[in-house]
Amino acid sequence: EVQLVESGGGLVKPGGSLRLSCAASGFTFSNAWMSWVRQVPGKGLEWVGRIKSKTDGGTTDYAAPVTGRFTISRDDSKTTLYLQMNSLKTEDTAVYYCTTDLGGHLDSWGQGTLVTVSS
Amino acid sequence: DIQMTQSPSSLSASVGDRVTITCQASQDISNYLNWYQQKPGKAPKLLIYDASNLETGVPSRFSGSGSGTDFIFTISSLQPEDIATYYCQQYDNLPYTFGQGTKLQI
Repeated sequence: EVQLVESGGGLVKPGGSLRLSCAASGFTFSNAWMSWVRQVPGKGLEWVGRIKSKTDGGTTDYAAPVTGRFTISRDDSKTTLYLQMNSLKTEDTAVYYCTTDLGGHLDSWGQGTLVTVSS
Repeated sequence: DIQMTQSPSSLSASVGDRVTITCQASQDISNYLNWYQQKPGKAPKLLIYDASNLETGVPSRFSGSGSGTDFIFTISSLQPEDIATYYCQQYDNLPYTFGQGTKLQI
């Protein structure tokens, strides 16, 4: 059974940093593309970015609002996905989900972790 | 970015009703469209991929159709457990983009 468990969310001040983790199990993590999706409470879904598997180049892509501030990485030895968030803004407040990404099909999701950016 | 427009934004229906949600893309996305269900307090769940393919384990009362710019999601006979918000999502181009969601109520 695929399991994705996010952690690392919390309260941070504007301009601050936070690193989210997503522990994966139940599938061959090293072969998987992974994405992060966020959701402002009570609002819709917004794709944040993705990382390809190392065999597919390990490259990353980001949505415009986070480009230059967020970095997605992976540690295949720990089957863990990361989202490093710097220069946080109040508009980054959201629940952050990690997902498996089958070339656009976001087919397994974690439970999400809440990030609140507030002074 | 490709804009995805869903309608209606909310919908009230009765158990047993046939429910239809539409999703329109701002440009041709072929069949690169998925549908998700999100129940309150839960993560989204993939129901339909490539516009019309049912994800494994998803009840057959759910279906999808369309290609190009216009897509339809249907629940053939609404069940109480189908109360949720439904989202379409395109993956023809990055960034992936979602519709604004359709909140389904009974």
